[in-house]
Amino acid sequence: GAGVSQSPSNKVTEKGKDVELRCDPISGHTALYWYRQSLGQGLEFLIYFQGNSAPDKSGLPSDRFSAERTGGSVSTLTIQRTQQEDSAVYLCASSSGPQRAQYFGPGTRLTVL
Amino acid sequence: QKEVEQDPGPLSVPEGAIVSLNCTYSNSAFQYFMWYRQYSRKGPELLMYTYSSGNKEDGRFTAQVDKSSKYISLFIRDSQPSDSATYLCAMSVPRPTNAGGTSYGKLTFGQGTILTVHP
Repeated sequence: GAGVSQSPSNKVTEKGKDVELRCDPISGHTALYWYRQSLGQGLEFLIYFQGNSAPDKSGLPSDRFSAERTGGSVSTLTIQRTQQEDSAVYLCASSSGPQRAQYFGPGTRLTVL
Repeated sequence: QKEVEQDPGPLSVPEGAIVSLNCTYSNSAFQYFMWYRQYSRKGPELLMYTYSSGNKEDGRFTAQVDKSSKYISLFIRDSQPSDSATYLCAMSVPRPTNAGGTSYGKLTFGQGTILTVHP
């Protein structure tokens, strides 16, 4: 079946611009996660959605970062006023429940000039 | 000190070798352990996961967890050039959810070990 998909695959933006990254989880998966992968920091948790519960936002690095999940499916990660240090690969994962394995998408490579 | 330590390598082995990849961790609350494989410019691919100490085998892969030593390993038997990738360990702490259940959602990753298997 179809895996996690993310769009765009690559995004180049100028410092100070806002960007939106999209994630389509595996159909039927109730949990959705965003991570960031950069050379210096490795793979870091950002935010986690589980069903209708309030999201776990404990990994968001600043208030410029936000995410929403509409209808329990598609999620959008928004970064406002991008900075060069936001350059990274943003990965989305989904799972069929809070105790189930997470399956990752291919990521969006964000470059902030 | 990072919660999860993983030797970044790189590790280079000949085809057919047994590969041993390791992670140590400092947080004794970690209860859920995973290994992911990541090819260049791709997302991580789940290889194995376990909740308990001991060994878990799947084909050429064996995952080992020693909670008393806070040490996990992944062994790859009969390594192949197609195994060349970055291997990431990941682990999580069980947390209560608003719905009254338990979540293992927030994964903490090691830095990843770059493995090359040459023919």
